[in-house]
Amino acid sequence: AQTVTQSQPEMSVQEAETVTLSCTYDTSENNYYLFWYKQPPSRQMILVIRQEAYKQQNATENRFSVNFQKAAKSFSLKISDSQLGDTAMYFCAFLYQGGSEKLVFGKGTKLTVNP
Amino acid sequence: NAGVMQNPRHLVRRRGQEARLRCSPMKGHSHVYWYRQLPEEGLKFMVYLQKENIIDESGMPKERFSAEFPKEGPSILRIQQVVRGDSAAYFCASSHDPPALSGANVLTFGAGSRLTVL
Repeated sequence: AQTVTQSQPEMSVQEAETVTLSCTYDTSENNYYLFWYKQPPSRQMILVIRQEAYKQQNATENRFSVNFQKAAKSFSLKISDSQLGDTAMYFCAFLYQGGSEKLVFGKGTKLTVNP
Repeated sequence: NAGVMQNPRHLVRRRGQEARLRCSPMKGHSHVYWYRQLPEEGLKFMVYLQKENIIDESGMPKERFSAEFPKEGPSILRIQQVVRGDSAAYFCASSHDPPALSGANVLTFGAGSRLTVL
C-alpha cells in the first residue's frame, strides 16, 4: 500500500520570501502521479501542481515548483514570492497509474504567510 | 459551469440519526468520488462510483455507510445511525475520465459537507 508522509505539521514564512514544503512517499510502483493540493480556510480543495513520475523535469506553475527525487521518493513544493493568499493547508497526494482510482493524501502542512 | 456542488455545507445530527450528503458533479462528468477528512487529517478515499455502479468501495466502513449515484440526480452518501466518530468533512470530487487515465488533473473537488454529530 502506498503511504504519503508530510513531516512538517506547520510552517510560516514572511511575505515575498520563499518556502519549501516536504513530502515523502512509499510505493513499489513505477508509474504514478504526485500532486500538491491547497486547502484554504474555505476548505475548497484546489490543485496546485502535479508531476508524472516518468518525467524527469520538475513541474512548474508560476510561483510554484516541485523538486521531484524519484529514487529518494521525495516530492517537495517550493513557493516563491509568498503571498498572503498562500496561507492554507497544503496536502501532498499520490495516484497510482496502474488502475487504482484512489488519491492517497498526506496529513498536510499548515502554511501561514505573515505580512 | 457551477463546479461540483455539495449540500448541505453543514449538517448537525444527534447520535442514532441518519445523515444524507448530496453531490452534483460537474456537467459532463460521470465519475464521482467521496473522501472523508477527519480533524487534523488528510483526505481518505471512501468510494468511487459511476452512473448506477459502485466501482470501488474499499474505503467505506463495512456498516452504516452506503453510497449511490443514480441515473438521474446527485450522488448520495448515506450514513445511518451516526456516531460521534462520524463527525468529519466529506468531500466529493468528479471527473470526466478515471483519474488514473487522465492523471487526476481534471479531478474537481466540491467544497465539502461538514457533519457534526452531537
